[in-house]
Amino acid sequence: RKEVEQDPGPFNVPEGATVAFNCTYSNSASQSFFWYRQDCRKEPKLLMSVYSSGNEDGRFTAQLNRASQYISLLIRDSKLSDSATYLCVVNNGPGRRALTFGSGTRLQVQP
Amino acid sequence: EAQVTQNPRYLITVTGKKLTVTCSQNMNHEYMSWYRQDPGLGLRQIYYSMNVEVTDKGDVPEGYKVSRKEKRNFPLILESPSPNQTSLYFCASSLNPSYEQYFGPGTRLTVT
Repeated sequence: RKEVEQDPGPFNVPEGATVAFNCTYSNSASQSFFWYRQDCRKEPKLLMSVYSSGNEDGRFTAQLNRASQYISLLIRDSKLSDSATYLCVVNNGPGRRALTFGSGTRLQVQP
Repeated sequence: EAQVTQNPRYLITVTGKKLTVTCSQNMNHEYMSWYRQDPGLGLRQIYYSMNVEVTDKGDVPEGYKVSRKEKRNFPLILESPSPNQTSLYFCASSLNPSYEQYFGPGTRLTVT
């Protein structure tokens, strides 16, 4: 089983739609969680960190479910500019400084 | 401007010819790392460094070396490149792995 798993998509949604991605992780000792966005052939950039209590940034909401070991990203009112690949990232616990990236979920927002 | 730079951006080389990809950051970050990205496999960490002279293996270190002699620089060395190292490589830096990672623009390497 992969340490971090994501549905690769693509998710094709119309403008204005709400779309949600999930990401599961295998290490229960994982400490930190993030969502990154990557545009085609570009470097990944931080979209948001994911906190235990859940957090929101404008149209984006991130949730963490430690019991089921998954994190989620909800995008409301999708824009064409949201088209990208969304990467789930996990920092695997005390004593480990490595980061594990999911393979990414591709989102295509259509007019 | 805060940034991570990588050089070269594109490189085509032949099997066995040693090469170095440089990475430099101007944010005084302690944590730096190298990743490769391949279709369907996502980003995989090659090596990381917590500080000067402190490096450790990531998930796919075979065939690579790194060094951290100065805080700002973290070169990736391929002593004897092979075609299976053809990939897109990213360098990243941050204060520590629990913080935002800042990525360089990427180096597209082809080994023939």
